[in-house]
Amino acid sequence: EAGVAQSPRYKIIEKRQSVAFWCNPISGHATLYWYQQILGQGPKLLIQFQNNGVVDDSQLPKDRFSAERLKGVDSTLKIQPAKLEDSAVYLCASGGWGETQYFGPGTRLLVL
Amino acid sequence: RKEVEQDPGPFNVPEGATVAFNCTYSNSASQSFFWYRQDCRKEPKLLMSVYSSGNEDGRFTAQLNRASQYISLLIRDSKLSDSATYLCVVNELSGGSQGNLIFGKGTKLSVKP
Repeated sequence: EAGVAQSPRYKIIEKRQSVAFWCNPISGHATLYWYQQILGQGPKLLIQFQNNGVVDDSQLPKDRFSAERLKGVDSTLKIQPAKLEDSAVYLCASGGWGETQYFGPGTRLLVL
Repeated sequence: RKEVEQDPGPFNVPEGATVAFNCTYSNSASQSFFWYRQDCRKEPKLLMSVYSSGNEDGRFTAQLNRASQYISLLIRDSKLSDSATYLCVVNELSGGSQGNLIFGKGTKLSVKP
């Protein structure tokens, strides 16, 4: 079974620039998550989708972050404009029926 | 938002040692509990779920104490390959079918020869 795919794997940008990350979940998984993991911390949930609807985006900094999952399959997460403190690994995870979440390899973002 | 607390370590142990990690959570309504393992520069992967009755998977034993809001992970006969960060995870169920996973900061384990 193919895992969660993410791209790009690495991204370096300057502050105030924009960046977008892409995630393709495991086939058939209705739930998709975006997490932010800052070095030395555990992953923090940014947004949860159930199919193409948002279930929880309470921790998403909506002034600069946006995410969509228009067709209920793959998803994009955008940061516009980026700040230095956005440097982190952005993890996408998906889940089927039940509670196990499977994570993608992540996108490492460095904001200079 | 409720928190999950872990000792960050690092725990430096020799091969063959037994090591225990502890975790506390603040939301008494939490429904399910997990340990994830994260290798350096890799994504987290589910190690095991934690059940009220306690559960064991080979050298790994997980325990849950709901009254004290405390979770533990015991690793026996540790191997070099056990070196990783162990994340304590609590599921706070919400309206979605999956709930929200709240991660601790992780406990780093380094097993030395």
